[in-house]
Amino acid sequence: GAGVSQSPSNKVTEKGKDVELRCDPISGHTALYWYRQRLGQGLEFLIYFQGNSAPDKSGLPSDRFSAERTGESVSTLTIQRTQQEDSAVYLCASSLAGEAFFGQGTRLTVV
Amino acid sequence: AQSVAQPEDQVNVAEGNPLTVKCTYSVSGNPYLFWYVQYPNRGLQFLLKYITGDNLVKGSYGFEAEFNKSQTSFHLKKPSALVSDSALYFCAVRDIHYNTDKLIFGTGTRLQVFP
Repeated sequence: GAGVSQSPSNKVTEKGKDVELRCDPISGHTALYWYRQRLGQGLEFLIYFQGNSAPDKSGLPSDRFSAERTGESVSTLTIQRTQQEDSAVYLCASSLAGEAFFGQGTRLTVV
Repeated sequence: AQSVAQPEDQVNVAEGNPLTVKCTYSVSGNPYLFWYVQYPNRGLQFLLKYITGDNLVKGSYGFEAEFNKSQTSFHLKKPSALVSDSALYFCAVRDIHYNTDKLIFGTGTRLQVFP
């Protein structure tokens, strides 16, 4: 597709359940990012992938959070044992030369 | 560490008036600076960037930003605001190290343009 695609667009889950969020980056973009945006707040960096290099996981808030990327394509962000404070919009972005293009995000609500 | 600061949570301006949304940065080395806009219930959209060259950078929707090295600022400007410019604006800096190349965002400034 022409842009970064994220699915699902909305996800409501019960506290304690695991969730998996998907990101399809722009074809050919070697870099992929995940950010979290809580309601009314700024963007919080979570993780960065660049090609086959080891990812920068420095922004992951706890060991309940993990992410994978297959080569230079799809990425999944997994949150285990979700908590209410995980409720936020999770944004994915891809980049080729520093300028990042964002998806529409997945709005996660933990009830 | 690289960082940006947006000192204003909200900026209010009347339609037709010039607008400025402030951003200051702190970097080691040459800065790579960006502005993004987030309209309600939509993702972030790229507006403009400064890498090198002219200090005045022109971007989408009539916006421009001025890079000022001595003041470490990268303020976003528009000569004549539109109601449709009302949105959340984020300044960002590129943080490049041996194992990462990520964007660090400011806390955002909400721009409200009144008719």
